[in-house]
Amino acid sequence: AQSVTQPDIHITVSEGASLELRCNYSYGATPYLFWYVQSPGQGLQLLLKYFSGDTLVQGIKGFEAEFKRSQSSFNLRKPSVHWSDAAEYFCAVGDSNFGNEKLTFGTGTRLTIIP
Amino acid sequence: EAGVTQFPSHSVIEKGQTVTLRCDPISGHDNLYWYRRVMGKEIKFLLHFVKESKQDESGMPNNRFLAERTGGTYSTLKVQPAELEDSGVYFCASSRKLTGAGHTDTQYFGPGTRLTVL
Repeated sequence: AQSVTQPDIHITVSEGASLELRCNYSYGATPYLFWYVQSPGQGLQLLLKYFSGDTLVQGIKGFEAEFKRSQSSFNLRKPSVHWSDAAEYFCAVGDSNFGNEKLTFGTGTRLTIIP
Repeated sequence: EAGVTQFPSHSVIEKGQTVTLRCDPISGHDNLYWYRRVMGKEIKFLLHFVKESKQDESGMPNNRFLAERTGGTYSTLKVQPAELEDSGVYFCASSRKLTGAGHTDTQYFGPGTRLTVL
């Protein structure tokens, strides 16, 4: 069965600093990988997704993620965070054998931004 | 284009009562999903509709949960009778119809319904 691990429950960074959120997955074939963000009072918003091709994926709000098959990782990065990036971030994997099927999520990483 | 909407945003009920959650997907989206997040844990899949048919309900916890999608538009998730462990945030998501094997499409999520069972 597929699974996702987000080892960091809570991360605090200073505004303007760089950010990397870790995500490791377990899946037998080439996975479909996603990063979602949930701001307070909002639904989950898709930041970016990886299906195939270029392993460095660009997303919205200046985020990017890199798929590394050898490390089973899909870490999310941003060169300079803004106070508005404070939110909870979820990594998810989808089943590529069946296309648009259920997503398996990690437990989330809560990001706090300090001035 | 309106996003996925869910009602109510928050529900507080007592153990043994019944609660019905509603989800309105994005217009024209054939796929509708329900997920749940129990506090501090991961978001877990409950079930998947394709139009009005249940495609996958492997995540439904037990027979106290009943999901419907009459007419292939909005969906309801009923919990009867509610238990303490049912507390959590229930998310709904929708996506477009697929047009070929091996393709997937973005799931758009609603804001969730926070259910508290006392």
